[in-house]
Amino acid sequence: AQTVTQSQPEMSVQEAETVTLSCTYDTSESNYYLFWYKQPPSRQMILVIRQEAYKQQNATENRFSVNFQKAAKSFSLKISDSQLGDTAMYFCAFMNSGGYQKVTFGTGTKLQVIP
Amino acid sequence: KAGVTQTPRYLIKTRGQQVTLSCSPISGHRSVSWYQQTPGQGLQFLFEYFSETQRNKGNFPGRFSGRQFSNSRSEMNVSTLELGDSALYLCASSLEFSGTAGWAGELFFGEGSRLTVL
Repeated sequence: AQTVTQSQPEMSVQEAETVTLSCTYDTSESNYYLFWYKQPPSRQMILVIRQEAYKQQNATENRFSVNFQKAAKSFSLKISDSQLGDTAMYFCAFMNSGGYQKVTFGTGTKLQVIP
Repeated sequence: KAGVTQTPRYLIKTRGQQVTLSCSPISGHRSVSWYQQTPGQGLQFLFEYFSETQRNKGNFPGRFSGRQFSNSRSEMNVSTLELGDSALYLCASSLEFSGTAGWAGELFFGEGSRLTVL
């Protein structure tokens, strides 16, 4: 079974600064996907960024980028130029390719952006 | 395009009762999955349906069940409610195949149904 570990329950960052959220995972699969989902307070969870395990290049989406270390089974999220709207719970998640949308989530990191 | 709609948004039940939650996926999405979110356990996968068939199931007791209708709408049912069933139940829909409409692995979540068991 896959496991996803987020060791930082809470973090804070000053507006306009950069913050990195950590995530490690464990799997015996070779083909899989990794995600970061964002859940703002009282709002729907949305996908922030995804990474295909077979791609060596780290994914980027505007101010969001990941550091994917497949051998170390590490998948961190970097948020640059933090904005107040980035305040949310961030969940790291894993899905096997062909996994019928069965996604394993970490316990989340609560990020507070301070003005 | 309307998002994923879950009803009811909030409900209060007592132990021993049963509850049915509903989820309407995004138009064109045929896969619907359910998750239980609690402060202690985080998000736990319940089950996933496609074309009225359950394709995957998480580690929950048989009191948790679901179904999907021909229009892709889904319901989940929890019987003989326990205090520990208090949670936010999230429904997510997704495409079956990647293409111009999007990528099949992305989950689109509803706002959830918050269940309180007293």
